[in-house]
Amino acid sequence: AQKITQTQPGMFVQEKEAVTLDCTYDTSDPSYGLFWYKQPSSGEMIFLIYQGSYDQQNATEGRYSLNFQKARKSANLVISASQLGDSAMYFCAMREGPNNFNKFYFGSGTKLNVKP
Amino acid sequence: GAVVSQHPSRVICKSGTSVKIECRSLDFQATTMFWYRQFPKQSLMLMATSNEGSKATYEQGVEKDKFLINHASLTLSTLTVTSAHPEDSSFYICSARGTSGARNEQFFGPGTRLTVL
Repeated sequence: AQKITQTQPGMFVQEKEAVTLDCTYDTSDPSYGLFWYKQPSSGEMIFLIYQGSYDQQNATEGRYSLNFQKARKSANLVISASQLGDSAMYFCAMREGPNNFNKFYFGSGTKLNVKP
Repeated sequence: GAVVSQHPSRVICKSGTSVKIECRSLDFQATTMFWYRQFPKQSLMLMATSNEGSKATYEQGVEKDKFLINHASLTLSTLTVTSAHPEDSSFYICSARGTSGARNEQFFGPGTRLTVL
């Protein structure tokens, strides 16, 4: 089974509007972390936001917020007030367990296009 | 955030040659580094996990004799693609995990684009 599923290969959003990128995950480990990364055309992976499995509140980082629904195993990324510079690939990732050595599982990504 | 560098950023080589890619953590010590490969329009695929001072752990299907990984210090890991072939052309990204921090996040390098002719 896929550890991380991103069902939206591509999304369009109008500049200044909000957009939600979907991510569901699969794990039986009670301790895990969820991450969102942005990858522009240059290729670098830019960390956006993190949600720990034991965190009670949804994470927020500026215009990014994570809609964490633990029972549904979903961790959707919400970008508010989209900007042209937000056009990029977005990857959801999960780290199982608390250990330093635990690897990340990445979703297939969503390509976001922000229209002027 | 922590800084991870990769060198070179882009390399073109002839088929049959070996290519070494360096991954350095610039402002922190990395006990664990990860090497990923990304084909165009696809996700990152983990190739191996390297821990300082020990042998790398390779993912299923990754040839350890072809992709040599050395993590000789807490700030440097190298990936050597031996006897490269055109099918090895890809974007290689490393990441490093620091020694502290509750998030246990990975800090990614800028990537190396390898083209094998």
